[in-house]
Amino acid sequence: NAGVTQTPKFRVLKTGQSMTLLCAQDMNHEYMYWYRQDPGMGLRLIHYSVGEGTTAKGEVPDGYNVSRLKKQNFLLGLESAAPSQTSVYFCASSSPSGRSYNEQFFGPGTRLTVL
Amino acid sequence: QKEVEQDPGPLSVPEGAIVSLNCTYSNSAFQYFMWYRQYSRKGPELLMYTYSSGNKEDGRFTAQVDKSSKYISLFIRDSQPSDSATYLCAMRAGRRALTFGSGTRLQVQP
Repeated sequence: NAGVTQTPKFRVLKTGQSMTLLCAQDMNHEYMYWYRQDPGMGLRLIHYSVGEGTTAKGEVPDGYNVSRLKKQNFLLGLESAAPSQTSVYFCASSSPSGRSYNEQFFGPGTRLTVL
Repeated sequence: QKEVEQDPGPLSVPEGAIVSLNCTYSNSAFQYFMWYRQYSRKGPELLMYTYSSGNKEDGRFTAQVDKSSKYISLFIRDSQPSDSATYLCAMRAGRRALTFGSGTRLQVQP
């Protein structure tokens, strides 16, 4: 049982390049999330999904797109990377009921640097 | 002004000390209050979860919520070097997404 996994762990991009971050979970969770974590800013929600085929914007969605084609996967895309997108990206998943709704399970993070 | 404010620290204490970590918030609609622990270069993990006001104890950890003051606390008794981590408070209103504090870095010196 791997929990939440993220690919890649590290990446360096040049301004204007594109990339996709992959998140996978094996807990059969309905909800999945993408956050970015910056010093002094805490975790900020980028996009989230409440089920296969559905996505919604979070607090800081500009410059990112997402897709949830399969229940276990949630992809985060950067179409044209900017230095302001240098951050640590975390994926998380949760179940929609009870304690589980508040317990988000996080992946190990992807450290992205945009030059 | 952020909805959730948290002192970034670092907070350095000797092993065995009682640690107090705090968050203040401005949204009176928040009902669910959580503390996540994040070790260096790892993802956060849920430590404790409280609904509405009151106290909750789990081993060496106690979470307190004072909704009248919009203030939540996490107390760690008999702190250990393994408690060294960043502690993030999080809260939500109804079915809305979680709002996180920026985290307090704790260092417990052996």
